[in-house]
Amino acid sequence: AQKITQTQPGMFVQEKEAVTLDCTYDTSDQSYGLFWYKQPSSGEMIFLIYQGSYDEQNATEGRYSLNFQKARKSANLVISASQLGDSAMYFCAMREAGGGGFKTIFGAGTRLFVKA
Amino acid sequence: NAGVTQTPKFQVLKTGQSMTLQCAQDMNHEYMSWYRQDPGMGLRLIHYSVGAGITDQGEVPNGYNVSRSTTEDFPLRLLSAAPSQTSVYFCASSRTGFGQPQHFGDGTRLSIL
Repeated sequence: AQKITQTQPGMFVQEKEAVTLDCTYDTSDQSYGLFWYKQPSSGEMIFLIYQGSYDEQNATEGRYSLNFQKARKSANLVISASQLGDSAMYFCAMREAGGGGFKTIFGAGTRLFVKA
Repeated sequence: NAGVTQTPKFQVLKTGQSMTLQCAQDMNHEYMSWYRQDPGMGLRLIHYSVGAGITDQGEVPNGYNVSRSTTEDFPLRLLSAAPSQTSVYFCASSRTGFGQPQHFGDGTRLSIL
């Protein structure tokens, strides 16, 4: 069964430093997609980055990169040069195509606090 | 650009009442889903649909019904509201495919007394 685990309920990082948010997943499928979303205090969900299970290179989008270790089933989000505006909830998500359903499930999230 | 529109934004119900949360998208997305968000539990998938006439259960489907008669609309029905269904509900849509990110509505904050 699909499962996403985010073990860090809360994280603190100093402004301008890098931070890694952990995500591990469990799936029996060979084909799947991994996503990270950001949820600021205003409540909207913002897509950050995507990694496909067959992608050999780690995904990058500006200050966001995804450290994908397939054998360990981990997909950690790295935010470089943290900004105050990065303070938010961050969710890891996985999409599978079992039965053609493209079901997407989320982890419990990590709340990131950026300190000035 | 309307994107994904959820109505209402806030709702208070009494235990046992029924209601429908509306979700509409104007992006011609095949895939739509409903999530509930509770503190410390992230977003949990309630039901999802890969196209008109096709729906399936997610992680927490009990107490909720859905239907998908058109590509645009995906309403969520609470048959007999219970306090445990107090939550923030998000509707999302995307194109099918592994790499397609979901577009989310603004959410409906639902309280069951």
